[in-house]
Amino acid sequence: RKEVEQDPGPFNVPEGATVAFNCTYSNSASQSFFWYRQDCRKEPKLLMSVYSSGNEDGRFTAQLNRASQYISLLIRDSKLSDSATYLCVVTHTGGGNKLTFGTGTQLKVEL
Amino acid sequence: SQTIHQWPATLVQPVGSPLSLECTVEGTSNPNLYWYRQAAGRGLQLLFYSVGIGQISSEVPQNLSASRPQDRQFILSSKKLLLSDSGFYLCAWRLAGGRETQYFGPGTRLLVL
Repeated sequence: RKEVEQDPGPFNVPEGATVAFNCTYSNSASQSFFWYRQDCRKEPKLLMSVYSSGNEDGRFTAQLNRASQYISLLIRDSKLSDSATYLCVVTHTGGGNKLTFGTGTQLKVEL
Repeated sequence: SQTIHQWPATLVQPVGSPLSLECTVEGTSNPNLYWYRQAAGRGLQLLFYSVGIGQISSEVPQNLSASRPQDRQFILSSKKLLLSDSGFYLCAWRLAGGRETQYFGPGTRLLVL
């Protein structure tokens, strides 16, 4: 089983739609959680951290369920510019604070 | 503010040739540094990380090596490239300690022919 699992997609949605991505992680000792965005042929960029209480940044909402080892990202009113691959990332303390990446979920927002 | 640089941006090398990719970070001291590889259509694989000058931890056995000759410089090398070394190489940094996440450089796209 992969340490971080995501549906690869692609998710093809019309502009203005709401779309949700899910991610599960296998290591119950995981400490921190993030969503990164990666555009085609570019480096991953931090989109948002994920906190236990859930957090929102504009049109983006992230939630964490530690009991189910599950992370989600909700994008409301999607824009063409949201088209990208979204990477779920978990980290553990110690040992250089390594990140473990999911393989990503591809989103395509269409007119 | 902190910035991270990588060069070259793209590289085409023949099989069996050596490799040296460089990464430097500005605006911070004693960062943790990381090298990742992303093969076409695949996820990021951590290759090496360093928590200080001269300290390197290797994550997977491979044809590559890393060095950290200065606090904010991280180098990825190979003596003889293989076809399977092709990929997108990304350097990342983070502040030592705390719960900060990692920030990536622009990457080097390597094609071994």
